[in-house]
Amino acid sequence: QQQVKQSPQSLIVQKGGISIINCAYENTAFDYFPWYQQFPGKGPALLIAIRPDVSEKKEGRFTISFNKSAKQFSLHIMDSQPGDSATYFCAAFSGGYQKVTFGTGTKLQVIP
Amino acid sequence: NAGVTQTPKFQVLKTGQSMTLQCAQDMNHNSMYWYRQDPGMGLRLIYYSASEGTTDKGEVPNGYNVSRLNKREFSLRLESAAPSQTSVYFCASKRTNSQGSRNTIYFGEGSWLTVV
Repeated sequence: QQQVKQSPQSLIVQKGGISIINCAYENTAFDYFPWYQQFPGKGPALLIAIRPDVSEKKEGRFTISFNKSAKQFSLHIMDSQPGDSATYFCAAFSGGYQKVTFGTGTKLQVIP
Repeated sequence: NAGVTQTPKFQVLKTGQSMTLQCAQDMNHNSMYWYRQDPGMGLRLIYYSASEGTTDKGEVPNGYNVSRLNKREFSLRLESAAPSQTSVYFCASKRTNSQGSRNTIYFGEGSWLTVV
């Protein structure tokens, strides 16, 4: 049962372009939405996160857009760089921040 | 600060063998997790422990057992390994019932397990 659907599965973007990864959820009990970045051979690490009472959060070149009514949120990477090449996971928290559901991941490749 | 440490990093098992993956965190977190990562499946929760002395099943618990030995350590045991358990396993930890940025889950670097 996949409660958080992530797309696309893979993405190739040219250096300097915008990378966009989308996630959709069904469970309205989710109340915290982080994105994780994972480099090959490493564990995932928190990149940026948003609460549902905010429609957008920006940290440097990374922005989360959140649409509560549509139950969708997305990660935008502006001015994408080869160093951004990694797998990105969206996630959703519920149950007093105890239970976390992850999306299936998006493998991003930024080509020079 | 080591964060979350997992051992072993790599392991090859024969079908039917047993083994234990070890995990320790030095951040004084109450919550600990075991995930498996498979291509196209993302991160799936095997078991979690909200606090010392408690464990709960996650999404894919069959074939696994866990032990929360103390606040720092959370081990994952495969009693009779099967090829379907070939995967990358991640241990993680988090503060309990915290809000805002303290919701961060910290992951170990993973354990690559192959069952032949």
